[in-house]
Amino acid sequence: EAGVTQFPSHSVIEKGQTVTLRCDPISGHDNLYWYRRVMGKEIKFLLHFVKESKQDESGMPNNRFLAERTGGTYSTLKVQPAELEDSGVYFCASSPWGRGNEQFFGPGTRLTVL
Amino acid sequence: AQKITQTQPGMFVQEKEAVTLDCTYDTSDQSYGLFWYKQPSSGEMIFLIYQGSYDEQNATEGRYSLNFQKARKSANLVISASQLGDSAMYFCAMREVNSGGYQKVTFGIGTKLQVIP
Repeated sequence: EAGVTQFPSHSVIEKGQTVTLRCDPISGHDNLYWYRRVMGKEIKFLLHFVKESKQDESGMPNNRFLAERTGGTYSTLKVQPAELEDSGVYFCASSPWGRGNEQFFGPGTRLTVL
Repeated sequence: AQKITQTQPGMFVQEKEAVTLDCTYDTSDQSYGLFWYKQPSSGEMIFLIYQGSYDEQNATEGRYSLNFQKARKSANLVISASQLGDSAMYFCAMREVNSGGYQKVTFGIGTKLQVIP
């Protein structure tokens, strides 16, 4: 069974540009999460989808970040316009329906904003 | 207030020896879960071990065990017989369930473990 995949693995962009990160969860997993780790800090929750609906987006830093999950399959996280402080590793995780299930993480996308 | 505290930014351990990575947590929930993840230099997050708040016995997975002390709100990870491949960042995390029945996971800042040959 394929795990959670993320694309790209690395992205280097200039301040003010737009970047779109993609996450493909494990097939059949209704729950999809986005996290971010800024260098030297803890991994922080960004948002949670249940199928195509945003269940919790309390961790989104500001309105420059837009996440979508059309059709309840893959998800995209767009940063527009990117700022220097957006640099970090963006992780996606998925879990099957139900409470209390382990979250399976993708390999992350390392975003560098210059 | 921090929900997950990992006070050891870096740890060294001699190969084949045991090491304990500390983690304390803060929650008012009765039902919660505690995880440890490993992040090697390649960047992926690898699930290691899980402890439910109602589990009476400490969780064990191979060379990993979780020393769960509920009253002290600590969930330390013990790695026995350290191997060179254990060198990585280790994250402690807590899962709480919100009023809607969905889980939210909070991570600690991580501990970087270096295994010395």
